Amino acid sequence: AQSVSQHNHHVILSEAASLELGCNYSYGGTVNLFWYVQYPGQHLQLLLKYFSGDPLVKGIKGFEAEFIKSKFSFNLRKPSVQWSDTAEYFCAVNARDSNYQLIWGAGTKLIIKP
Amino acid sequence: DVKVTQSSRYLVKRTGEKVFLECVQDMDHENMFWYRQDPGLGLRLIYFSYDVKMKEKGDIPEGYSVSREKKERFSLILESASTNQTSMYLCASRSSAGSPLHFGNGTRLTVT
Repeated sequence: AQSVSQHNHHVILSEAASLELGCNYSYGGTVNLFWYVQYPGQHLQLLLKYFSGDPLVKGIKGFEAEFIKSKFSFNLRKPSVQWSDTAEYFCAVNARDSNYQLIWGAGTKLIIKP
Repeated sequence: DVKVTQSSRYLVKRTGEKVFLECVQDMDHENMFWYRQDPGLGLRLIYFSYDVKMKEKGDIPEGYSVSREKKERFSLILESASTNQTSMYLCASRSSAGSPLHFGNGTRLTVT
């Protein structure tokens, strides 16, 4: 069965630290990849997505993610985090072969200490 | 900007009650979804609909049903609420398969 694994459930960083959140998926076919973010008290919103082309994609608020097909990974990065990045981050994958149903990771809660 | 509106932000219901959660989207999206979100479990798909009057079971449909009489509205029904259905319920829509989802603010349901 397809699955999405996020390696860390909780991450605590200080402001200005660099961030990398891991995401691995298990599916061998063509996939679309997403990172969503949920700020405290707000709805889930799209951070960035990869459909095809350049495997390094840039999203909102300085986030980027790199699709590495050989590693089945789509890690999220930000060079210097801010207190306002405190949120829960979800990786999700869908595939044409599964009628584009989204498979979700369990989420990573990120806390940035001021 | 797409707007997905869930009728209630917080609900408290008693065990055995019938509960209706309403969701409306304003962008003429074909696809609509109901998820529940629980700590450490991510989002789990309850039901989805790709068209009016069409519904499909997701990963955890037991204890739930849905209704989609109009394209913009997708309702989740708990036929007889139980305490294990205490959760955050999220409605989402998208324009087509493969497109990103747009979420509502969620309904936090507590069943006592």
